[in-house]
Amino acid sequence: NAGVMQNPRHLVRRRGQEARLRCSPMKGHSHVYWYRQLPEEGLKFMVYLQKENIIDESGMPKERFSAEFPKEGPSILRIQQVVRGDSAAYFCASSPPIRGAQGYNEQFFGPGTRLTVL
Amino acid sequence: GESVGLHLPTLSVQEGDNSIINCAYSNSASDYFIWYKQESGKGPQFIIDIRSNMDKRQGQRVTVLLNKTVKHLSLQIAATQPGDSAVYFCAESIGGATNKLIFGTGTLLAVQP
Repeated sequence: NAGVMQNPRHLVRRRGQEARLRCSPMKGHSHVYWYRQLPEEGLKFMVYLQKENIIDESGMPKERFSAEFPKEGPSILRIQQVVRGDSAAYFCASSPPIRGAQGYNEQFFGPGTRLTVL
Repeated sequence: GESVGLHLPTLSVQEGDNSIINCAYSNSASDYFIWYKQESGKGPQFIIDIRSNMDKRQGQRVTVLLNKTVKHLSLQIAATQPGDSAVYFCAESIGGATNKLIFGTGTLLAVQP
């Protein structure tokens, strides 16, 4: 059973270009999470999606950032008009459906995409 | 606001010794806590978790302790090995509909042979 897959592993963009990061969850997982990690810092939550729905986007910047998780295919994190401050490692995690109002399921992380903006 | 922080940014131990990594959290509504290990260039790897209705949980060579009174979490690693060298993060969640994790800043564990 393959783990969470992310591609590309490394992405270089010039200021003003668009970055598209892809995440394929583990088999059987319908929940996807995106986190951003700056050097020597912890991961910061960005967005939580289920198939075709955004559940929580409280950590997403209001502009230039968007995420989707279509019925078919991987989840996409899209950053338009990138700036140098967007340089970071972006991690995707997936989990199976959450059981119960107080339930929690372990999130399995992918290897990350390291975005460098020149 | 919500935050999870660590007391020690770097911990250096001798191979074979026990390691203790500490974490403070501030959100009293958090009911689920997780420790992750992150090696250089890789994603976080689950180590052990604990729910708020427990104060101790043991795994293989690892123990997590939760003190809700002072909002403190610790990870104990027995007989630390060179392969344990990594950055360790604690994370908290209130679970339910919003399943997001709030991570601390991390502690670098360096194991000296």
